[in-house]
Amino acid sequence: NAGVTQTPKFRILKIGQSMTLQCTQDMNHNYMYWYRQDPGMGLKLIYYSVGAGITDKGEVPNGYNVSRSTTEDFPLRLELAAPSQTSVYFCASSSPIERKHGELFFGEGSRLTVL
Amino acid sequence: DAKTTQPTSMDCAEGRAANLPCNHSTISGNEYVYWYRQIHSQGPQYIIHGLKNNETNEMASLIITEDRKSSTLILPHATLRDTAVYYCIFHAGGTSYGKLTFGQGTILTVHP
Repeated sequence: NAGVTQTPKFRILKIGQSMTLQCTQDMNHNYMYWYRQDPGMGLKLIYYSVGAGITDKGEVPNGYNVSRSTTEDFPLRLELAAPSQTSVYFCASSSPIERKHGELFFGEGSRLTVL
Repeated sequence: DAKTTQPTSMDCAEGRAANLPCNHSTISGNEYVYWYRQIHSQGPQYIIHGLKNNETNEMASLIITEDRKSSTLILPHATLRDTAVYYCIFHAGGTSYGKLTFGQGTILTVHP
């Protein structure tokens, strides 16, 4: 199993550009998440989804959008990129079994720089 | 989620046990203790979790005090590859799903 796969691994954007970070998982997990990690800091939740067609905001959703059309895919869209969005973005998934909710499987990350 | 307190950094000799403490005096009765680690900016890796009882798996052991106000993650025979940032997190499950709150964690350095 590939687990959680993120693309691209690296990207440089100019201020005002838009892009989509792709995330796919092959574990048939209902729950998926997007986190961001700024240098030297812990991860912060951007958006999450508990199933296809259902998404909700996390702690830092401003400047981002998500969609969940399939169980496998959970893309993160950055509109009008700003330098404050320079960060490492992690996608994760977890099982709907309640005692495993907090057992997240993370991707390798997408490193985004906005100049 | 409850706030956790961890030491900023710790050292451990290779082959010895690494004991990482975590204080969580405000934890609620339904909140689990989770441990993750992050090796050099890779994606965080789940290690272990528990509610009241001590837990052990192939990676580590988790010791939770009877009053649940603190816990210790034990890596029984640390290797150089265990050098990482270790996060102690509290999570209620249920409709909290996997919405974890990561703090600063403990930087564990394993040296030869």
